[in-house]
Amino acid sequence: EVQLLESGGGLVQPGGSLRLSCTASGFTFSNYAMTWVRQVPGKGLEWVSSITSSGASTDYADSVKGRFAMSRDNSKNTLYQEMNNLRAEDTAVYYCAKVGATILDALDIWGQGTMVTVSS
Amino acid sequence: DIQMTQSPSSLSASVGDRVTITCQASHDISKYLSWYQQKPGKAPKLLIYDASNLQTGVPSRFGGSGSGTDFTFSISSLQPEDIATYYCQQYDNLPLTFGGGTKVEIK
Repeated sequence: EVQLLESGGGLVQPGGSLRLSCTASGFTFSNYAMTWVRQVPGKGLEWVSSITSSGASTDYADSVKGRFAMSRDNSKNTLYQEMNNLRAEDTAVYYCAKVGATILDALDIWGQGTMVTVSS
Repeated sequence: DIQMTQSPSSLSASVGDRVTITCQASHDISKYLSWYQQKPGKAPKLLIYDASNLQTGVPSRFGGSGSGTDFTFSISSLQPEDIATYYCQQYDNLPLTFGGGTKVEIK
């Protein structure tokens, strides 16, 4: 079964850091680009970042550029999101999603999401 | 950035009705549009990609059409299990952008 499982969410103070993980199974992880999307509870979907299949290239939304770092370990079938200098407005459910062969493709598989709460 | 304008923001229809949602892009995105279904407390699920292609395993009552800037998503016969919020998304260019969502309810 094709599956993505996020972990690492939780409560963090403003200015703090958190690392999210997304473990893939059921498909050849190294063949696909990956994306993070977030959603404030009760609100819409917001693209956060994307990474190519090799991990050589990443792109970020302006709202997180310079604070978030996306990476992957294809030997461990795992995607990461290092989040630094967190702000209240980063509070959201974070989803990892499988893309196609390139970053610009539909998001065909999504994880269940992990909640990040930034609050003092 | 490409803005995606989705309408209506909510609708109420009877079981068996045809439901239509529209999505307009601020720039030409060719066919690079997808539609997602999100049920409460769940992750989004891909229904349609490349504007009109049905994702494997998705019931044929779901459909999509359009190209360029104007797109349409439809449910030919609304079922109780279709109660959800639906989103369009463009992947012609970064940043990936989503429509604001359409909440579908049963009348």
